[in-house]
Amino acid sequence: VQLVQSGAEVKKSGESLRISCKGSGYTFTNYWISWVRQMPGKGLEWMARIDPSDSYIDYSPSFQGHVTISVDKSMSEAYLQWSGLRASDTAMYFCAIHEREGDDAFDMWGQGTMITVSS
Amino acid sequence: DIQMTQSPSTLSASVGDRVTVTCRASQSISNYLAWYQQKPGKAPKLLIYDASTLERGVPSRFSGSGSGTDFTLTITSLHPDDFATYYCQQYNSFFYTFGQGTNLEIK
Repeated sequence: VQLVQSGAEVKKSGESLRISCKGSGYTFTNYWISWVRQMPGKGLEWMARIDPSDSYIDYSPSFQGHVTISVDKSMSEAYLQWSGLRASDTAMYFCAIHEREGDDAFDMWGQGTMITVSS
Repeated sequence: DIQMTQSPSTLSASVGDRVTVTCRASQSISNYLAWYQQKPGKAPKLLIYDASTLERGVPSRFSGSGSGTDFTLTITSLHPDDFATYYCQQYNSFFYTFGQGTNLEIK
């Protein structure tokens, strides 16, 4: 089981961006995928999750309206996207899954994607 | 949202020491609590889930306890590789929340 994320990005405020998380070694539609933000020198913040089987989504109120998550089942990929980046979006972003049914502890993580946004 | 408060924020210890990190939830979360270890520039690694179950492959010097609102992570006999930041996370509510982290540093 592996989650591989897309590479680091450097963008300007106001630009759009989509980053990806590709699952392999398991049935992609079996496990919810979450996105977690970590701002420089700060802690972990859960952003949102998506059920790849039907694209049902839950967003944290802190992130709803500013980011959009989606999946492409045919590619076994999940996406996190912004339509108007802010300098405050500068952070490392992780995708993660929990494989145990009924247990939402994240036992597999992507390597992280660093996003740097200049104003 | 359920707030998770970890203490201490920083912990200084030596190789061989026994250390304890605490995590308190703002409301009861039963035993739906995980502990993670994170090293700089790396993804978090799951250590313990369901408050006290050791993830496979994690050394037995790590242990967790607690239920309801109060939880602890204990590391007996610190190894050099254990100096890192530790986070608790509740998953009683799917608005998952993490503690602010405990930086375990070498004394």
